[in-house]
Amino acid sequence: QITLKESGPTLVKPTQTLTLTCTFSGFSLSTYGAGVAWIRQPPGKTLEWLTLIFWDDDKRYSPSLKSRLTITKDTSKNQVVLTMTNMDPVDTATYYCAHRHPRGYYFDFWGQGTLVTVSS
Amino acid sequence: DIQMTQSPSTLSASVGDRVTIPCRASQSVSYYLAWYQQKPGKAPKLLIYKASNLESGVPSRFSGSGSGTEFTLTISSLQPDDFATYYCQQYNSFPWTFGQGTKVEVK
Repeated sequence: QITLKESGPTLVKPTQTLTLTCTFSGFSLSTYGAGVAWIRQPPGKTLEWLTLIFWDDDKRYSPSLKSRLTITKDTSKNQVVLTMTNMDPVDTATYYCAHRHPRGYYFDFWGQGTLVTVSS
Repeated sequence: DIQMTQSPSTLSASVGDRVTIPCRASQSVSYYLAWYQQKPGKAPKLLIYKASNLESGVPSRFSGSGSGTEFTLTISSLQPDDFATYYCQQYNSFPWTFGQGTKVEVK
């Protein structure tokens, strides 16, 4: 069974860098077709896809946030790390990591999410 | 970016009702569309992929249809557990985008 769980700070100050870790089990990110994405959801708003990393270390970033995002993986630890620089209050959201279905760019397993608040 | 429009934002219905939730894309996404259900404080749950394919374990009262720019999620007989917010997501074109959601509430 595939599970994912996000971890990291719940509060960051404006201009700081956010680092979130997704720890997963039930699949390997070295398997052909595998991918893990980060998706966020501001309170009361819709979902926004941020970034995705593939089994072969290929990466995709949302064009609107590309300059601020970095995604990396540690296959041996079954972890994916998201870094977002220059945080702003508008970045306050629940951040989810999710497993990409091998046959498409949709997401069949999600972590529980972690609420990150940006405030001084 | 492809814009996904879900209207209405809120839909009132009763248990046993047949409910249809529309989703429109700003340009064709072929049949590369997924539907998710989200309850308050929970992560989204995949219901439908490739417009009409039911995800494993999802009750058969859920179905999806459409292609191109017009899609529909149908709940054939609304159950108490189905009161939630439903999102569509296109994955035909990068970046992948979600609709604003339709909340199904008690009438």
